[in-house]
Amino acid sequence: DADVTQTPRNRITKTGKRIMLECSQTKGHDRMYWYRQDPGLGLRLIYYSFDVKDINKGEISDGYSVSRQAQAKFSLSLESAIPNQTALYFCATGGINYNEQFFGPGTRLTVL
Amino acid sequence: GEDVEQSLFLSVREGDSSVINCTYTDSSSTYLYWYKQEPGAGLQLLTYIFSNMDMKQDQRLTVLLNKKDKHLSLRIADTQTGDSAIYFCALVNQAGTALIFGKGTTLSVSS
Repeated sequence: DADVTQTPRNRITKTGKRIMLECSQTKGHDRMYWYRQDPGLGLRLIYYSFDVKDINKGEISDGYSVSRQAQAKFSLSLESAIPNQTALYFCATGGINYNEQFFGPGTRLTVL
Repeated sequence: GEDVEQSLFLSVREGDSSVINCTYTDSSSTYLYWYKQEPGAGLQLLTYIFSNMDMKQDQRLTVLLNKKDKHLSLRIADTQTGDSAIYFCALVNQAGTALIFGKGTTLSVSS
């Protein structure tokens, strides 16, 4: 979805490194989300934000932190990456009409 | 807690109908959703249904909602190879803050 972009699209890193995944949106939505997807586990919510001053933990926030730099930007950091954080990470923005969410293309992260 | 369950795999022949099922535990969500994820891509909203509806039809897609049994289904008529993807059922959590997703059903369409 071109309205939600994620960088990088792929990243390979080593255990213990700090990693930042970035997300930008042009949909003008206040709500933004970070999920991780693992095979057979579906999507699990890491953090979400309803506006620039609002940050909330999701289901699996341990080992992650986020920053909402502006309405359009929401970044996810792994302070000290570990191999079980290898996954596909999705950013999403939230509409308010039907609570629907719009997803970015994902970042494939591999931690060696 | 809130839970959304789906079968993991479905295999059909091109031209047949596909039915993907979903059951859930919490019924407070105003809307229920179906998302599609094609290989290497993000999730795309396919359709949604308002909780006071029993059925919604959108071209080849039919969504059925049975609130009594907490059961949601997605029927794809005349399934094509391009429909091969992972399909996720989702609904809004009780707090109204986020979506809860099922684990996804991988639909495989053979010609």
